[in-house]
Amino acid sequence: DAGVTQSPTHLIKTRGQQVTLRCSPKSGHDTVSWYQQALGQGPQFIFQYYEEEERQRGNFPDRFSGHQFPNYSSELNVNALLLGDSALYLCASSLSGSLSRLFFGSGTQLSVL
Amino acid sequence: SQQGEEDPQALSIQEGENATMNCSYKTSINNLQWYRQNSGRGLVHLILIRSNEREKHSGRLRVTLDTSKKSSSLLITASRAADTASYFCATDNTGGFKTIFGAGTRLFVKA
Repeated sequence: DAGVTQSPTHLIKTRGQQVTLRCSPKSGHDTVSWYQQALGQGPQFIFQYYEEEERQRGNFPDRFSGHQFPNYSSELNVNALLLGDSALYLCASSLSGSLSRLFFGSGTQLSVL
Repeated sequence: SQQGEEDPQALSIQEGENATMNCSYKTSINNLQWYRQNSGRGLVHLILIRSNEREKHSGRLRVTLDTSKKSSSLLITASRAADTASYFCATDNTGGFKTIFGAGTRLFVKA
């Protein structure tokens, strides 16, 4: 039973560029949440996708957008990268109506130079 | 912004000692969870306690929840060097779909 997989594991970009991060949820899960974790901080909620729709969003600008596909996998897109976007991006999957226990991937470490 | 705030920010103990971490939150919750994160990796779910529960055990873990004080504690008994990690509390607010994490407690267990 595959867990949550994220790709790529590491990424280096320059300011102003755009990036796409990918996530495959745990088998059987239909909900995907994305988090940004700066060094030494807790994960910050970006948004959650369910039934291919953004169901809830955190305090992140419109430069952060996402998508969920019919197979429940998801993408996180960040446009016009800033130095401050450097962080570990975590994807978490869950089963709707399951008391929200989250299963996390190992993350994508994004460095913006 | 973060809902939960853990205390202490960092904790260093000897192997075999107990470790206690506290979490405070601000708004009404459906449940509270604790997660563990080894350096630079994904988070692993440890335990979930519902808002109508006061205490829960899982192996060497004991979690308490006081909704009147909006606080929770995580106790790890007989700690091991392998328990060295960051521990986060996370809450699911009533009426929402997001799980919000605190800033975490960094636990160091010395062998």
